[in-house]
Amino acid sequence: QVQLQESGPGLVKPSETLSLNCNVSGGSISSDYWTWIRQFPGKGLEWIGYISYTGNTNYNPSLKSRVTMSVDTSKRQFSLKVKSVTAADTALYFCARQYSNGWFNDWGQGTLVTVSS
Amino acid sequence: QSVLTQSPSASGTPGQRVTISCSGSSSNIGSNYVYWYQQLPGTAPKLLIYWNNHRPSGVPDRFSGSKSGTSASLAISGLRSEDEADYYCAAWDDRLNAVVFGGGTKLTVL
Repeated sequence: QVQLQESGPGLVKPSETLSLNCNVSGGSISSDYWTWIRQFPGKGLEWIGYISYTGNTNYNPSLKSRVTMSVDTSKRQFSLKVKSVTAADTALYFCARQYSNGWFNDWGQGTLVTVSS
Repeated sequence: QSVLTQSPSASGTPGQRVTISCSGSSSNIGSNYVYWYQQLPGTAPKLLIYWNNHRPSGVPDRFSGSKSGTSASLAISGLRSEDEADYYCAAWDDRLNAVVFGGGTKLTVL
């Protein structure tokens, strides 16, 4: 099992860009897929997308126009950017290791991002 | 509205067997694997079941999963107080090209 830790601002202004990092420790980042999932205040979960260690991405079509993911294997870190945020993007953001579609084996503790002016 | 449908709540007494259901369609549960997650209060979801009915190491055999057609179920036998949590189902959706989740079922142990 790897350990994952999200980091980034907890407050983002509307129309700005949300940026989060996820640090991977206790294992290799050079395998599997690295994913972002968010949980809304009402508890619903939404898969945002994943990036492989080679940089291949697969985004949720509902967010594709606003999402960018990147990976830096030397830093054992992958990142999420969501542009043009609104209050609807307020959520607890988790990073996780994805073995296959739907299989999320290891999770970070989550980081709360609030979109507000 | 979640793509996969779960009852919002379920309950049982210690020792009882409880079943949590997850309903989908031909584009998700009907054609792809189902996964189940347990989320204890204040923590991240934890994988309970993968590939419809397989348990990761460390998950007690009190937890079992099944799938039939476009529906799936999670059964918990010998209910314990520490099983009180939110439970989510997940699957890939071929039409949406995304992983989809159920809305979650809050299990209360009375």
